[in-house]
Amino acid sequence: QVQLQESGPGLVKPSQTLSLTCTVSGGSISSGGYYWSWIRQHPGKGLEWIGYIYYSGSTYYNPSLKSRVTISVDTSKNQFSLKLSSVTAADTAVYYCARSRQGATLDYWGQGTLVTVSS
Amino acid sequence: QSALTQPPSASGSPGQSVTISCTGTSSDVGGYNYVSWYQQHPGKAPKLMIYEVSKRPSGVPDRFSGSKSGNTASLTVSGLQAEDEADYYCSSYAGSNNPHVVFGGGTKLTVL
Repeated sequence: QVQLQESGPGLVKPSQTLSLTCTVSGGSISSGGYYWSWIRQHPGKGLEWIGYIYYSGSTYYNPSLKSRVTISVDTSKNQFSLKLSSVTAADTAVYYCARSRQGATLDYWGQGTLVTVSS
Repeated sequence: QSALTQPPSASGSPGQSVTISCTGTSSDVGGYNYVSWYQQHPGKAPKLMIYEVSKRPSGVPDRFSGSKSGNTASLTVSGLQAEDEADYYCSSYAGSNNPHVVFGGGTKLTVL
């Protein structure tokens, strides 16, 4: 059973960079066949896809966030990470990591982590 | 504003059926058979209920079914049960040149 767990600071100051890591267990990122995604959910709102990465390092990002987002992978640690730069209060959200299979089906999700942007 | 359009709410009595729509464009829902539906209970992570328009993951009751016609996908929940009360989100693969994922705004399903 694949499990994902997000980790990182719960509070980030405006204009700084939000950094989160997703640790995968029960399956190897480097085995291929899947993309590894980040999704966020603003308080009381819907889901927003941020982007995903393949084990080889190929990335695809939400066009609306592309200029501020970097997703990277560390296959040796079976982790992938999210960096979102120049954050504002509008980036306050629950951030989820998830596994994507063909066609962007998100079949396994982490429990989510709340990141608040505030001084 | 979400890329895919869902009704904000839907409701039905126990045992009844309810259908939730998800409307996109030919660049997403209409262009690919990669529509998924997710169920989210309060404070929980979303759970995959339907993928590739109409396929059910192992463990999802067959009361949940999906379909698509043109640019609109639908999720039908038959034999409504109290535990089906949740938010439901559709998503679709979009864009061959810049592959990405789009979500609907979500539908709050209330079991009366």
